[in-house]
Amino acid sequence: DIQMTQSPSSLSASVGDRVTITCRASESISRYLNWYQQKPGKAPKVLIYATSSLQSGVPSRFSGSGSGTDFTLTISSLQPEDFATYYCQQSYSILPITFGQGTRLEI
Amino acid sequence: EVHLVESGGGLVQPGRSLRLSCAASGFTFADYAMHWVRQAPGKGLEWVSGISSNSRTIDYADSVKGRFTISRDNAKKSLYLEMDSLRAEDTALYYCVKDRGSSWYFFDYWGQGTPVTISS
Repeated sequence: DIQMTQSPSSLSASVGDRVTITCRASESISRYLNWYQQKPGKAPKVLIYATSSLQSGVPSRFSGSGSGTDFTLTISSLQPEDFATYYCQQSYSILPITFGQGTRLEI
Repeated sequence: EVHLVESGGGLVQPGRSLRLSCAASGFTFADYAMHWVRQAPGKGLEWVSGISSNSRTIDYADSVKGRFTISRDNAKKSLYLEMDSLRAEDTALYYCVKDRGSSWYFFDYWGQGTPVTISS
């Protein structure tokens, strides 16, 4: 199975900061990489799909980039509602889907 | 509006079985792949199983392969997960999740989850 490794595992930042979270796949997944945000007690929601496509309704301060094995999620200017846990997920071909271990973004 | 409502969770002894159900509404169920994703207390997300829109493609995480069976009834707009030989490590909140595609693409809607606790 493809292993997904996120870094950092946790991150402290302030409102207005620019933040980047990295996700690395154990083998190439082309651009089949998605990002989710989860707040405590809530189901996850998709932010970015296919590496860089912004899901409808998601603020434009979220962006994604990468290809092959290395991907990033960037939040251009942190807002109070962005403090959450973020997960990357690969959906390459019909291999088992796997998630990264998560990045907890704290104030 | 898309709604996914899970049911069937509960407290079960190790080695026993449990069947989860997910009732879908607000979209054409037969057009989309569906998945089960779980989250153990305080842990990250783990994809459990997925089934394509026409049920021709089914896959499982290695951790549940041979013990869990996913199925769907497009006429009833329902997704199921039959869980056998349950273990303590299967304790988690189980989410029913809709895929954006007919096969694997990305997860665009999630249910609120049904809790499963495996304990004697």
